[in-house]
Amino acid sequence: TQLLEQSPQFLSIQEGENLTVYCNSSSVFSSLQWYRQEPGEGPVLLVTVVTGGEVKKLKRLTFQFGDARKDSSLHITAAQTGDTGLYLCAGRTTSGTYKYIFGTGTRLKVLA
Amino acid sequence: EAGVAQSPRYKIIEKRQSVAFWCNPISGHATLYWYQQILGQGPKLLIQFQNNGVVDDSQLPKDRFSAERLKGVDSTLKIQPAKLEDSAVYLCASSTTGPGEQYFGPGTRLTVT
Repeated sequence: TQLLEQSPQFLSIQEGENLTVYCNSSSVFSSLQWYRQEPGEGPVLLVTVVTGGEVKKLKRLTFQFGDARKDSSLHITAAQTGDTGLYLCAGRTTSGTYKYIFGTGTRLKVLA
Repeated sequence: EAGVAQSPRYKIIEKRQSVAFWCNPISGHATLYWYQQILGQGPKLLIQFQNNGVVDDSQLPKDRFSAERLKGVDSTLKIQPAKLEDSAVYLCASSTTGPGEQYFGPGTRLTVT
């Protein structure tokens, strides 16, 4: 069974601080997505990374896919209260039905 | 463009009762997914449809859960009989052909007492 472990599980920081969330697995994925989910809503896609070592930036968010395509990180610079939410990574399997396996989630709270 | 619609938004039932959830995906999306998200965890895929055919139902507890997608559009997910551990948010998502970007509905929060 392919698993994606995220760390930390919970994170509470002050506005303006930087943070990094990690998504790790022992399995290789063909691509990896990051989602943000707010209370009472479904997850919303932030980015998809496909190539090992790929780095993508979305304003203050930087996403990196590991060289071996087994792990990924999300770095937020100068966090804002609007960044508060549940961050989920999801890896696409390389065989079978090519489905997405979701990570365990990181709950971020940014304090004003 | 209208998003993924789900109903009801909330449901409270007693254990051993049955319940059904409905999902209307984005128009033209061939792939439809049902996920179970237990509080504080990431979503777990229950079943994936491609048009009206099942692609993956390996994690669907088939002794109590069933799902159908008639005519390749709307879908229903049923639980019968419900157990306490079925308390979760049930998310429906859709995408164009293949595992591209998934668009999620708001979910149905089920509480089994």
